Amino acid sequence: GENVEQHPSTLSVQEGDSAVIKCTYSDSASNYFPWYKQELGKRPQLIIDIRSNVGEKKDQRIAVTLNKTAKHFSLHITETQPEDSAVYFCAASYSGYALNFGKGTSLLVTP
Amino acid sequence: DGGITQSPKYLFRKEGQNVTLSCEQNLNHDAMYWYRQDPGQGLRLIYYSQIVNDFQKGDIAEGYSVSREKKESFPLTVTSAQKNPTAFYLCASFGAAEPEKLFFGSGTQLSVL
Repeated sequence: GENVEQHPSTLSVQEGDSAVIKCTYSDSASNYFPWYKQELGKRPQLIIDIRSNVGEKKDQRIAVTLNKTAKHFSLHITETQPEDSAVYFCAASYSGYALNFGKGTSLLVTP
Repeated sequence: DGGITQSPKYLFRKEGQNVTLSCEQNLNHDAMYWYRQDPGQGLRLIYYSQIVNDFQKGDIAEGYSVSREKKESFPLTVTSAQKNPTAFYLCASFGAAEPEKLFFGSGTQLSVL
């Protein structure tokens, strides 16, 4: 089955700096790669996703890049703010099958 | 609260007891999922159902059971065979309009007394 590795497990940045979280996946058939943000005690919420026919997608301060050849994808957050502090999960799936999640990255943005 | 309701928010299990976690959605979604979340372990799939009266085991199904008698409901039973049930349990669903985009419930924290 699919195996998703996520790094780093913790990340601390100063407000205004950029943050990058990286994930690799094992199954070359995977074609959908979402990112979820989970604030403390809350449910995970989808923040951005990308499909395998696209190399990059951007939504305001967040962007995701995908390298299908290397089987890795990354989340980029620019101009970080304290409210970006949360746990971020990457995931991968193939055409409607269940998502396989990475173990999460705890991001702390310090003022 | 997002169309997926989990109850209760907190649940305590005694030794040898089965407990059932409720998950109800009014989004008309066909697919429903149960994930277990442990600190530092991410979300691990327990069971999923893509249609009424059908469900499949996920990666960590042992000690759990589910049913899908109605489209709206996908309850999870944590049986006494699950020796380490303490975790945060998340129910999720997605529909044909937005395939693969999981919507999560607010979760149930299960603890052992």
